[in-house]
Amino acid sequence: DVKVTQSSRYLVKRTGEKVFLECVQDMDHENMFWYRQDPGLGLRLIYFSYDVKMKEKGDIPEGYSVSREKKERFSLILESASTNQTSMYLCASSSPLDRGGNTIYFGEGSWLTVV
Amino acid sequence: QKEVEQDPGPLSVPEGAIVSLNCTYSNSAFQYFMWYRQYSRKGPELLMYTYSSGNKEDGRFTAQVDKSSKYISLFIRDSQPSDSATYLCAMSARSGGSYIPTFGRGTSLIVHP
Repeated sequence: DVKVTQSSRYLVKRTGEKVFLECVQDMDHENMFWYRQDPGLGLRLIYFSYDVKMKEKGDIPEGYSVSREKKERFSLILESASTNQTSMYLCASSSPLDRGGNTIYFGEGSWLTVV
Repeated sequence: QKEVEQDPGPLSVPEGAIVSLNCTYSNSAFQYFMWYRQYSRKGPELLMYTYSSGNKEDGRFTAQVDKSSKYISLFIRDSQPSDSATYLCAMSARSGGSYIPTFGRGTSLIVHP
């Protein structure tokens, strides 16, 4: 089974703090994603990466950055946390289409509260 | 107009009912169609995946795609209280080597005993 592990399930951070959300996948997937999910807004793509050290902006990249130094690990960074970044963050991974990667697999989610 | 429309519900049904969950979409290039189930405070888990039009059955679940109408459905037979969750549809088109799905906002389903 594909396993996507998000190291922190629940975090409480102060406004202005730098926050790191870590994600590791064990299926050798090339593609990795970070989403946030808010009530009534659904899943919104923040960033994705299709290879090590490669990244692409999603729909809502403002206030976030990412790092992918190793294939299995994709980190989401909130440079200066703000209360409007209180949300559930979901990491996901998939294979490229030419390797049969037609679906993505999610982690359990990280609940971030910024106070 | 969003690319993928999904009624948020909630949809409340008695145990044993047949449930129909639906999504409509506007992008005719979509080829891959998925349904995810998400329990409260958990990540979405892949439930079913289909390619192009037609039906696919897996146990109590049937996924249906009608590309001519740009309409997909998920049917749940003999619904159980454990089926209570939010159901997200997702779909994508081939775009180079990457796969970026577009998600519906999810339908909340409540199956009461």
